[in-house]
Amino acid sequence: QSALTQPASVSGSPGQSITISCTGTSSDVGGYNYVSWYQQHPGKAPKLLIYNVSNRPSGAPNRFSGSKSGNTASLTISGLQAEDEADYYCSSYTNSNSLVVFGGGTKLTVL
Amino acid sequence: EVQLVQSGAEVTKPGESLKISCMGSGYNFATNWIGWVRQMPGKGLEWMGIIYPGDSDTRYSPPFQGQVTISADKSISTVYLQWSSLKASDTAMYYCGRLGVGNSVDFWGQGTLVTVSS
Repeated sequence: QSALTQPASVSGSPGQSITISCTGTSSDVGGYNYVSWYQQHPGKAPKLLIYNVSNRPSGAPNRFSGSKSGNTASLTISGLQAEDEADYYCSSYTNSNSLVVFGGGTKLTVL
Repeated sequence: EVQLVQSGAEVTKPGESLKISCMGSGYNFATNWIGWVRQMPGKGLEWMGIIYPGDSDTRYSPPFQGQVTISADKSISTVYLQWSSLKASDTAMYYCGRLGVGNSVDFWGQGTLVTVSS
């Protein structure tokens, strides 16, 4: 299956809000409410930020929120902070054999 | 506390075989899918495949089918990723992760760096 489509990079200033999109198909993002988002700092393992489109696990700051419309999911970060500078990946359940597909990743730069 | 602990970094030569591991603790290991994720240098995350340790049901993402083997030994709470003949292009960081609610990866291993070089 093809990877989900994310913008390669986004940027914002401290305190601003940014949104990262994640576009799939009806076989993954559009067909199920099983979209997740991950944050990865350089040299570190990814960390779960959002699951089931819009739910935050314990420990994830409430500045991070998720939504979905049709085949596109979105991650919004409000009140950008310097430590939010990282790579962000979406993933979705897919009805293909391997059950999960990732997006290509988005590099967030905090100006 | 849920933990996934991976085996250490490996430096190998093209054509060699290799098996890396991921040991879980702090939960019922047999009842959550475990996945393997590749991250090539400077690149994004790629889902390789998953295994259900309870019955060793295994699924592979198409690019990795036939290229690697995923296995599990639930008696020691460990999942494996192995290659029979490594290539230089297998050089990457490999992560294992536990699938939780909605097939999200709620816990990750620390990663195993595999370097294949002659």
